[in-house]
Amino acid sequence: AQSVTQLGSHVSVSEGALVLLRCNYSSSVPPYLFWYVQYPNQGLQLLLKYTTGATLVKGINGFEAEFKKSETSFHLTKPSAHMSDAAEYFCAVSRSGSARQLTFGSGTQLTVLP
Amino acid sequence: DTGVSQNPRHKITKRGQNVTFRCDPISEHNRLYWYRQTLGQGPEFLTYFQNEAQLEKSRLLSDRFSAERPKGSFSTLEIQRTEQGDSAMYLCASSRRGDDSQETQYFGPGTRLLVL
Repeated sequence: AQSVTQLGSHVSVSEGALVLLRCNYSSSVPPYLFWYVQYPNQGLQLLLKYTTGATLVKGINGFEAEFKKSETSFHLTKPSAHMSDAAEYFCAVSRSGSARQLTFGSGTQLTVLP
Repeated sequence: DTGVSQNPRHKITKRGQNVTFRCDPISEHNRLYWYRQTLGQGPEFLTYFQNEAQLEKSRLLSDRFSAERPKGSFSTLEIQRTEQGDSAMYLCASSRRGDDSQETQYFGPGTRLLVL
C-alpha cells in the first residue's frame, strides 16, 4: 500500500523567495510520483511527475522536484515565488506499472506575500 | 481537447435524497476516475473505468454509491439516501490508456455536494 505525507499544511513565502514544499512517500514497490496544483474552485492540474529515469524532474511554471529514493522524498521547489503561485499543492503516488489509482497527500496551502 | 467537464458544479440536497453527478471526459480518453475530496484533505480514489468496464472500486464506495459509464464515454455517479458525511467535492479525471509511465490523469473542476 502507498501513502503520502506532506509536511506543513500551510507555507508562506515572500514574493521572489524560494518555494520548498515537502513530500515523503511510502511504497512497497517503486513508485510513480506526482505534484498537482489546485486553484480555488478549479480541478487539479499536473505540475510534474516522476516515473523512471532522471531523478530531477522539471515541470510547468518553473517548478521542479527531485526523487530521492534513500530519503523516500519528492520535494517540490521553485527558485523564485510569484504571486500567481498561491494555491494548494498536492503530492501523489501510484504503483509503478499502474498509474491508475493515485494516493494523495493532504495538501499544502501556499501563500505568497508581497 | 476541451477538458474534463462536470455537472452540476454545486449541489445542495437534504439528507435522505438521491443525487446524481455527471462527468464528461476528454474525448478519446478511455479511462475515467472518480475521487472524493473533503475539506482540508487530498482527493481519495473511489472508482475507475476502462471504457465501460468498472475495474476498481475503493472500500470508500459504500452500497449507497453507484457509478456507471454505459457507452464508455460520459459517466454518472449516484448517491442514494444521502448523509451529511457525503458532503464533499467529487472529482472526475480521465486519461488515455497507454504506456503507464506516460499516462496522466486530467481532472475536471469537480461537483461540490452539500447535504443538509
